[in-house]
Amino acid sequence: QSVLTQPPSVSGAPGQRVTISCTGSSSNIGAGYDVHWYQQLPGTAPKLLIYDNNNRPSGVPDRFSGSKSGTSASLAITGLQAEDEADYYCQSYDSSLSGFYVFGTGTKVTVL
Amino acid sequence: QVQLVQSGAEVKKPGSSVKVSCKASGGTFSSYAFSWVRQAPGQGLEWMGGIIPIFGTGNPAQKFKGRVTIIADDSTSTVYMELSSLRSEDTAVYYCAREVDVTGTTSMDVWGQGTAVTVSS
Repeated sequence: QSVLTQPPSVSGAPGQRVTISCTGSSSNIGAGYDVHWYQQLPGTAPKLLIYDNNNRPSGVPDRFSGSKSGTSASLAITGLQAEDEADYYCQSYDSSLSGFYVFGTGTKVTVL
Repeated sequence: QVQLVQSGAEVKKPGSSVKVSCKASGGTFSSYAFSWVRQAPGQGLEWMGGIIPIFGTGNPAQKFKGRVTIIADDSTSTVYMELSSLRSEDTAVYYCAREVDVTGTTSMDVWGQGTAVTVSS
């Protein structure tokens, strides 16, 4: 039972911009905890895509960007490419009894 | 370059236990924290618990308390996750991941390849 809600799917044509929302609450994103994003290609382990709300690890293209406001965060992909077709998950810390790390419900990005 | 290499796939009977290992290479093992994350077939990611090797004691998520034990072996740079009282709903791929720091609020920058655990009678 994820406490971070994402849309199940988003789609876009090559070259377009898509955004994925991640909605939390006052015990996680709204409490000021950082949001991180992961990309999971089919059959592979998740890969860190954005850390601390809006930072890209070395090697991640600048087509990927993150933002955070209030109890929500967003991941944007500009100039969508075929290889971006994957599942995307947000992650944060939650201070409630369920404790520690929580992941979003996940979003499937489809490149049309 | 830090790598996490996990043990192989397991098939277990309901009610039994499984122990998955995660060996770290190429980095300073004790300086980091490690998490275990699982993914049931067709489902999302679920955090199970973590450990900071220098502190020794694992910290399972509330949902898994009493069923999950997480330990670390400094001498072999290996983290273990044992899940007991297995049921069919525990069928999943289990990942270990290294946390960027030991604050407990951070991201996971290195992941193991995953270990498939199937629970079936």
